[in-house]
Amino acid sequence: GEDVEQSLFLSVREGDSSVINCTYTDSSSTYLYWYKQEPGAGLQLLTYIFSNMDMKQDQRLTVLLNKKDKHLSLRIADTQTGDSAIYFCAEIPSYGQNFVFGPGTRLSVLP
Amino acid sequence: EPEVTQTPSHQVTQMGQEVILRCVPISNHLYFYWYRQILGQKVEFLVSFYNNEISEKSEIFDDQFSVERPDGSNFTLKIRSTKLEDSAMYFCASSDDAGSPLHFGNGTRLTVT
Repeated sequence: GEDVEQSLFLSVREGDSSVINCTYTDSSSTYLYWYKQEPGAGLQLLTYIFSNMDMKQDQRLTVLLNKKDKHLSLRIADTQTGDSAIYFCAEIPSYGQNFVFGPGTRLSVLP
Repeated sequence: EPEVTQTPSHQVTQMGQEVILRCVPISNHLYFYWYRQILGQKVEFLVSFYNNEISEKSEIFDDQFSVERPDGSNFTLKIRSTKLEDSAMYFCASSDDAGSPLHFGNGTRLTVT
């Protein structure tokens, strides 16, 4: 079966960089995704990366993909209090079209 | 930007009652999904729906659950006889293609008492 893993908590100071890590199991996944969930809200698509890419940058967000180690990371530069949320890594296993989500990393940004 | 909308935002029901959770997916999307998130736990896949039929469902999606697209815009999840353990956030999502990013609604918080 598939399992996406993430560390559950991360605390950073405002202005610092945050790095949220994820490991996934299905090496055939073609896209890997990052979603953000603010308190009481739905899942907001942040960014995604195609599996033939190593890196994708989008303003303050940088996604790094290491296919050999099945490791995905999300770096948030200049972290702000508004970035406090739960961040979910997700993949689509090759055998189906349904997203598999990690448990989420709760990011706390301290002033 | 087009959104997935879900109603109600919060539903309280008694054990054994039927509930219907409603969703309006993005209008040009063809694939529809329900996920749920029990408080503090993972986001779990329930069911996917395409071309007016279920394309895949998880073990959670037993005979108590059903989905329907009654018209061209709504997508509903029905739980026939709710149990306490059905209490969760239920998220509807849609996409324009299999494997494309899912766009989620804000969820319906279901509380079964």
